[in-house]
Amino acid sequence: EAGVTQFPSHSVIEKGQTVTLRCDPISGHDNLYWYRRVMGKEIKFLLHFVKESKQDESGMPNNRFLAERTGGTYSTLKVQPAELEDSGVYFCASSQRRLAGVASTDTQYFGPGTRLTVL
Amino acid sequence: RKEVEQDPGPFNVPEGATVAFNCTYSNSASQSFFWYRQDCRKEPKLLMSVYSSGNEDGRFTAQLNRASQYISLLIRDSKLSDSATYLCVGGYNQGGKLIFGQGTELSVKP
Repeated sequence: EAGVTQFPSHSVIEKGQTVTLRCDPISGHDNLYWYRRVMGKEIKFLLHFVKESKQDESGMPNNRFLAERTGGTYSTLKVQPAELEDSGVYFCASSQRRLAGVASTDTQYFGPGTRLTVL
Repeated sequence: RKEVEQDPGPFNVPEGATVAFNCTYSNSASQSFFWYRQDCRKEPKLLMSVYSSGNEDGRFTAQLNRASQYISLLIRDSKLSDSATYLCVGGYNQGGKLIFGQGTELSVKP
């Protein structure tokens, strides 16, 4: 079974430009999450989709970040315009639909991340 | 104060040693806990879930103490391949967001 995939693996852009990150979750996983790790800091939650709906977007830093998951399959995270502090590694994770009493359905599987550098 | 706190290390231990990592969390609303392992420049991977009753998986034992808001991971008979960063992670609602500690770096030497 294919894991979570992310594209691109690396992106180097200049301040003020736009970048779009893509995440393809594990097939059949309803839950999709975006996280970010800024250098020297812990991994932080950005938002959570259940299918195509935003379940929790409390971690989105500001309105320069826009996440979508049309059709409930892959997701995109757009940063427009990018700022220097947006540099970091952006991870996507997915988990299947939660089944009551089955703890393993909560397991979040992470993609390899997109390393974003804003110059 | 961070919601999940860990000693960043590094822990440098010889092969065969037993090493213990500790983690504390501040939000009593956290419902589930995990240890993830992250190799250099790779994604986090689930090592094990943590239960109040304690759980063991081979050389790894995890324990949760809700009264003290404390989580531990014990690695016995360390292998070179155990070298990685170990992330203490809390979850609020089943299926919801994860809260990560900064990670504890482990280096196992020959």
